This record gives sequence, structure tokens and C-alpha cells, in this order.
Amino acid sequence: AQSVTQLDSHVSVSEGTPVLLRCNYSSSYSPSLFWYVQHPNKGLQLLLKYTSAATLVKGINGFEAEFKKSETSFHLTKPSAHMSDAAEYFCVVNWGYGQNFVFGPGTRLSVLP
Amino acid sequence: SAVISQKPSRDICQRGTSLTIQCQVDSQVTMMFWYRQQPGQSLTLIATANQGSEATYESGFVIDKFPISRPNLTFSTLTVSNMSPEDSSIYLCSVEKDRGPTGELFFGEGSRLTVL
Repeated sequence: AQSVTQLDSHVSVSEGTPVLLRCNYSSSYSPSLFWYVQHPNKGLQLLLKYTSAATLVKGINGFEAEFKKSETSFHLTKPSAHMSDAAEYFCVVNWGYGQNFVFGPGTRLSVLP
Repeated sequence: SAVISQKPSRDICQRGTSLTIQCQVDSQVTMMFWYRQQPGQSLTLIATANQGSEATYESGFVIDKFPISRPNLTFSTLTVSNMSPEDSSIYLCSVEKDRGPTGELFFGEGSRLTVL
């Protein structure tokens, strides 16, 4: 079965420092890849998506992610964390068949003042 | 994009009762999805609802426990039946725009259910 791994269940950074949230997926085919953010008591919002165009994808709020096929990874980064970035982040993969969307377990990002 | 409204946003229910969650989309969509998010967990797909046909349930979910209606292309309901404390979760409605491998999901804000 296809799977999505987010190695860190919790990441804590200081405000103004870089953010790295990791995502790896099992690979049989080339998928579409997404990062969603969920703020407390809110639904999920799309941050960015990769759909076989440029491997470096820019999203909202200064986030970006790089698709690395050889590493089957799609890590999410931001140069400088802001307090408002504190939330749960989900890596989601769509292999384009069956029930398409497979969710990672999520990474909770804490931003310290 | 798609704007999705869910009602209720939260509720506290007694064991053994049932609750129906409504999902309204601002545009016509073929497929609507219902997800469950248990406390501190990721999302798990309950079922896919197509207009005019029976919902398709994922392994571990059954129609008797989670009946779904899909009367038209912009609306769906999910009922959580005979609730127990284990049903305490966030239930999220979702739609997929641009069907296919590049399509993305849009979510409602969820219905937070607490069962006492």
C-alpha cells in the first residue's frame, strides 16, 4: 500500500529561524504532492502543491517545498518562522487512482518567541 | 476554489443519540468526501459521496453507523448514529476540484463532536 511518512510529530523553532518539515512517500508512480496547514479549531488550508512542473514549489505565507524524486521526498521549508505559523501541517499525496489522497500523520509546529 | 460550509461547527452529545452534519458547497461538484480526525490524529476517509448513487465506504466504516445523503451536486449530510465516546472527533467535509492527479482538496472548517 502507498504511504506517506512525516518523520517529526512535533517541531519547535524560535521566531525568525528557519522551518523544515519533512515528508517522504512510498513510490510506485509519480504522484502529486500537497502540503496542508490546520490552525487550531480550523479546517485544512492548502499551502502548496506539486504537479510535475517545477520541482521547487512556492506557496502561501512564504512557504516552499522541493520535490526530490530520487529521495521520494517533499520537504516543506520557510526561511523565517512567524508566530502565526504555529499549526499542524499535513503532507498529502495523490497517486491519481483509486481513493486518491493519502494523508501523512501530521507535524505540529510550535514557534517560540 | 470552493467554499464549504459545515453545520454544526461543534456539538456535545449524549451517548446513544445520533447527530447529522450538513455540508454545503458554493459550486457543483461530482464527488464529496467525509473525513474523520480523531484527537491528535491525521485524517481518515470515511466515505465518498456521489450524487445519485450510494456512498462508497472505506474499510472500517459502515453505512449503518455513518449514513450519508447526497441529494444534489452542492449538498451532503453525514449522520453519526448511536454515538459513543469513541466517536468524539472532528468530522470534515471535503471536495475535489479539477478531478485527476493534479486536483486538490478543499475542506470545510469541520464539525467538532464530543460524546459524553
